[in-house]
Amino acid sequence: KNEVEQSPQNLTAQEGEFITINCSYSVGISALHWLQQHPGGGIVSLFMLSSGKKKHGRLIATINIQEKHSSLHITASHPRDSAVYICAVRTGGSNYKLTFGKGTLLTVNP
Amino acid sequence: DTGVSQDPRHKITKRGQNVTFRCDPISEHNRLYWYRQTLGQGPEFLTYFQNEAQLEKSRLLSDRFSAERPKGSFSTLEIQRTEQGDSAMYLCASSLLGISDTQYFGPGTRLTVL
Repeated sequence: KNEVEQSPQNLTAQEGEFITINCSYSVGISALHWLQQHPGGGIVSLFMLSSGKKKHGRLIATINIQEKHSSLHITASHPRDSAVYICAVRTGGSNYKLTFGKGTLLTVNP
Repeated sequence: DTGVSQDPRHKITKRGQNVTFRCDPISEHNRLYWYRQTLGQGPEFLTYFQNEAQLEKSRLLSDRFSAERPKGSFSTLEIQRTEQGDSAMYLCASSLLGISDTQYFGPGTRLTVL
């Protein structure tokens, strides 16, 4: 079983819909990251969370440390939001290395 | 543009050949990470450097793999005697210790071993 599980693996939505991507992890963490990966490989960090909730534009990320669960929400989705969204956790220690989920492929149709 | 560059972007090689990839991190970043990503999977940690010191290596990094970061600036990842299972995207990321652990990723090098 992977230490980081994401659901769904694939998600197709119509433009304007509210999107939720879930991430569950099985280990103790010091931080959780949400990243976006476009076709061709480039990865961009969206959020880093250790508690609570963060918002940036139409993106909202929440984390529940007790339940070992995080969600990424996209409001008023747009075709340009189409990408792979990856959850990654930092498990503590001094190395700051990340353990990644497999990603959720989001396709937003116009 | 995150500021992390990788070269080459694509590499096709025959099984058994050696390949070397280069990563240039954001100039003031003291931490540098290498990850490997296969199709349909999330990236997996390979190794990381703090300045020029290689502080951790994953068990995924067999003895055919070697990484260096001379002078704590750019880094190279070499794969000797490549195998078809080495085909993957090799990602480099850098961060600045003490400020935040936000890792900035390069565009990756896609390796295809025939």
